[in-house]
This record gives sequence, structure tokens and C-alpha cells, in this order.
Amino acid sequence: DQQVKQNSPSLSVQEGRISILNCDYTNSMFDYFLWYKKYPAEGPTFLISISSIKDKNEDGRFTVFLNKSAKHLSLHIVPSQPGDSAVYFCAASHTGNQFYFGTGTSLTVIP
Amino acid sequence: NAGVTQTPKFQVLKTGQSMTLQCAQDMNHNSMYWYRQDPGMGLRLIYYSASEGTTDKGEVPNGYNVSRLNKREFSLRLESAAPSQTSVYFCASSGSRRQYTEAFFGQGTRLTVV
Repeated sequence: DQQVKQNSPSLSVQEGRISILNCDYTNSMFDYFLWYKKYPAEGPTFLISISSIKDKNEDGRFTVFLNKSAKHLSLHIVPSQPGDSAVYFCAASHTGNQFYFGTGTSLTVIP
Repeated sequence: NAGVTQTPKFQVLKTGQSMTLQCAQDMNHNSMYWYRQDPGMGLRLIYYSASEGTTDKGEVPNGYNVSRLNKREFSLRLESAAPSQTSVYFCASSGSRRQYTEAFFGQGTRLTVV
């Protein structure tokens, strides 16, 4: 059973606008959440993370929001750039020993 | 700074053949992982090793074996390959003195079983 879910397989956004990628999880024991970016034929690369003691973490154009009561996290990219076009995976961990990934959202930023 | 290195990058196997995917990391990480990526399925954990000398099953371990040879190396073996094992395989590592750290991934191995 998928413990981390990304229900939107794809998303298209105009350059300069905000991209919002969503992720839901079912395991209340998860206490560390991450977003990864993946280009074709490359391994995933780490983007941003948040621990369960926070509800927001920001790094430049990227902000991750965590709503523990809803078991939901989101990634905001502002402003979106064509180079942001990639597949984005959310991941969750309990104690940092295993990482469970969602199915990914393919983001296309239209110039 | 190599990070996580996987070999080979591409492989074609016939059904029933065996092979070992190699992975090495140079970041002194404690934990290492093997994932497979399939269309619509995301990244699924096959096996992981929380420290040298230990291995544990992940979500999809059937048909695979692993060896944590030392702190640097973690190999994945397919004893009798099946077409259902056609996938892209990623090795990853994580863990330093901080408890919560991100995982770093290799470039992947694209395996086709015919």
C-alpha cells in the first residue's frame, strides 16, 4: 500500500507563475519529509526538506509547507522557470532509516 | 567528489540469467539503499542497509539479494532475472552525524530483461 501519494501525475505552469506540487502521506510516524527533483536519465537530486517540528521551510524560490493534521505537504516554486521542468518526488521517513517515495509529478514550465 | 557511483549504467539480460549491480559511495554514509523506478510507480525500496553488516527488506525485495560488503559498497544481485525486473535501479546513501539527512542518489542502472 502506497504510504506516500502524489495524486497529480503532471502539472503545467507559465514561466514566472507559482508552481504548487502536492503530496499526501498515511503513516503518522513519518517525521522527516523531502522533495527531490529528477531529470531524465539522471538520479534524483535533493531539493528541500522539512522536519515534523516545523510547518514551513524556505530555500530561495522553493518553499515546503507541512500540515501534519491533514498529513499533507506541498512544494511551492516561485517564480517558476523553464529549468524547473522535471519530475518531482516527495519522500517521507521515520528516524531517517528508510525513505518512502511518491509516484512523482511531472512539472512543465512553459516559457 | 564522486558521491554515489553505480555500475553498469545499462544492461540487457536474458530471462534466467544472473547479475550483480554494484554501488559505492565516498561520503562515509552509514545507510545505503537500492530502489527501482517503474512508470507510474515512483521509487520503490528494494533493500536497505542501516549500517555496515546489516541489511533489511524494503517494499519489493522478492527476487533480489543484497550484500553490504563494507561501509562504502552495497551490491544488488538478481539470481534469476525475470522480465518483471526490467526497471531503472537506483542506489542511494544517507547518514552522517546528524540523524536526519537527505539521501544522495547514483545515476541509475537501466536493466532490460528479455
